[in-house]
Amino acid sequence: DQQVKQNSPSLSVQEGRISILNCDYTNSMFDYFLWYKKYPAEGPTFLISISSIKDKNEDGRFTVFLNKSAKHLSLHIVPSQPGDSAVYFCAASVSYLGNQFYFGTGTSLTVIP
Amino acid sequence: EPEVTQTPSHQVTQMGQEVILRCVPISNHLYFYWYRQILGQKVEFLVSFYNNEISEKSEIFDDQFSVERPDGSNFTLKIRSTKLEDSAMYFCASRNRQGAINSPLHFGNGTRLTVT
Repeated sequence: DQQVKQNSPSLSVQEGRISILNCDYTNSMFDYFLWYKKYPAEGPTFLISISSIKDKNEDGRFTVFLNKSAKHLSLHIVPSQPGDSAVYFCAASVSYLGNQFYFGTGTSLTVIP
Repeated sequence: EPEVTQTPSHQVTQMGQEVILRCVPISNHLYFYWYRQILGQKVEFLVSFYNNEISEKSEIFDDQFSVERPDGSNFTLKIRSTKLEDSAMYFCASRNRQGAINSPLHFGNGTRLTVT
């Protein structure tokens, strides 16, 4: 039951360039989408979110895009910095049903100095 | 910034033993969760808890698992008789509202459980 998928297990990007992390979902009822960042030996840290009424949300260097028709979201990091090297998880939920957040398997981003 | 704290960071136990994983959620949060991540796999939902009762649980959360909020600050996950396949990182999370946009989960740093 893989409702949220991240098909790229890893990504390498040069410092200063754009990082694009992708996520696909299957459940059309999802209306709240989040990106988390995880360093080794730490828990996931909330990064940015978007609701289904929007198609873009921006916070500093991080922008999340949502394409509802394609059931696809992406996280853009511009410019990428070495400190951004981490595993990035996308997650989704049906907000009015409350509880469960469904996570993807993660994409390991390496930003090369 | 307030954070979710989990103890211990690493727990080693023998198969068949009981373990209790402890969490202190963010103080003004009302909804509490346990997730786990088996090495190399996705983060999986176990259970959510609100108002001193389980509000939702996954099929992973069988009779061997239980949760409790024994006082106003702690939130615990008990595994009654551990199995080798229970070895995973267990993450506690909390949020201040349910069913709301702009109410993300806040995670602790996890407890690595190793069952031998």
